[in-house]
Amino acid sequence: AQSVTQLDSQVPVFEEAPVELRCNYSSSVSVYLFWYVQYPNQGLQLLLKYLSGSTLVKGINGFEAEFNKSQTSFHLRKPSVHISDTAEYFCAVTPYTGRRALTFGSGTRLQVQP
Amino acid sequence: EAGVAQSPRYKIIEKRQSVAFWCNPISGHATLYWYQQILGQGPKLLIQFQNNGVVDDSQLPKDRFSAERLKGVDSTLKIQPAKLEDSAVYLCASSSDRGNNEQFFGPGTRLTVL
Repeated sequence: AQSVTQLDSQVPVFEEAPVELRCNYSSSVSVYLFWYVQYPNQGLQLLLKYLSGSTLVKGINGFEAEFNKSQTSFHLRKPSVHISDTAEYFCAVTPYTGRRALTFGSGTRLQVQP
Repeated sequence: EAGVAQSPRYKIIEKRQSVAFWCNPISGHATLYWYQQILGQGPKLLIQFQNNGVVDDSQLPKDRFSAERLKGVDSTLKIQPAKLEDSAVYLCASSSDRGNNEQFFGPGTRLTVL
């Protein structure tokens, strides 16, 4: 079984400041890792994913994440946020093998202030 | 390419009533998922279909929830009778049999049980 912990439920930040949203996971098998964003009253949109290879992954909207196997972490970063980045962000994992569902963290609410 | 479609977008019912949600996945996607997202939490899997067969329904409250995917395309999720704690957003997602199991989400149905 897998579990995902998002350490911060809310992250307030000023516009144009850098931000890091933290994610740690636990799994007995190898997993793919994902970050999704959810804007109000919308479904989930994929930001980026780690499958294999380079541990630094770049996604849409200027976001990137770094996979750290030894620390079982997959933190999301953006060097300069915009008001439009205000949303809920979810970290998720799924096992390599089999077509299995995603296991999600509880989410981090990013609030970008002017 | 059309995305995952869900209807209705919003539904308000009284407890003990029944309700049904509909999902049409991306064309050609064999795997379909229903997730429940309670306010302030990450989505949790209710049921997973591969074509028209059930892969995982271990977290589906079978005394009140049912789901089907006739003909392996669209799917319906039903709750009968509804309880107050069923108030949530119900998300449908689909993925293809190829690649890395990336899941594409619909906009969700927001259910309020009064």
